[in-house]
Amino acid sequence: GAVVSQHPSRVICKSGTSVKIECRSLDFQATTMFWYRQFPKQSLMLMATSNEGSKATYEQGVEKDKFLINHASLTLSTLTVTSAHPEDSSFYICSASGAGGDTQYFGPGTRLTVL
Amino acid sequence: DAKTTQPTSMDCAEGRAANLPCNHSTISGNEYVYWYRQIHSQGPQYIIHGLKNNETNEMASLIITEDRKSSTLILPHATLRDTAVYYCIVITFRDDKIIFGKGTRLHILP
Repeated sequence: GAVVSQHPSRVICKSGTSVKIECRSLDFQATTMFWYRQFPKQSLMLMATSNEGSKATYEQGVEKDKFLINHASLTLSTLTVTSAHPEDSSFYICSASGAGGDTQYFGPGTRLTVL
Repeated sequence: DAKTTQPTSMDCAEGRAANLPCNHSTISGNEYVYWYRQIHSQGPQYIIHGLKNNETNEMASLIITEDRKSSTLILPHATLRDTAVYYCIVITFRDDKIIFGKGTRLHILP
């Protein structure tokens, strides 16, 4: 199947700093990417839908000014957690789908720990 | 809210077939049934999907009832590496956002 990568796989940062997470589709062009977060022992929760060249659509309760999403190209979307706090510590996962395919593929996830 | 209901957990003996049920009684005619699984601390892995007909690939088989209100994912010869949370999802199109339910935690017993 198609490959989606994320970078970094793990990040630890101090409270108040910003962290950028990249999501790349390696062998296909992704017109749409999705961002999820997952807290321990819980299911994935959709945060936002990212469409190439347009503004992201955020789910209810997700602060768009805190979780900045940029989908500048057909192979890259970035999620920036601004002024991160310990409660933002979570597992962040992206998914992508592209033209010609009929399946969303997920990245391996990024574990964020905010001290 | 997720459109599917699944048992919270299941056990299966190694080497046996694992049959994971899913109810999707409100599925629409143009919605597909997708299955993903998530092994601990990894992103979800695509397994299989179908619309009306039964499907089989190298990982699993998907049996969809004639009324499409339920389906069963079959792992024919479960191994310890199949231990994961399995998610059954219904979506119209690949670009649809996926709302995950709680899934089924499958334990493969040696």
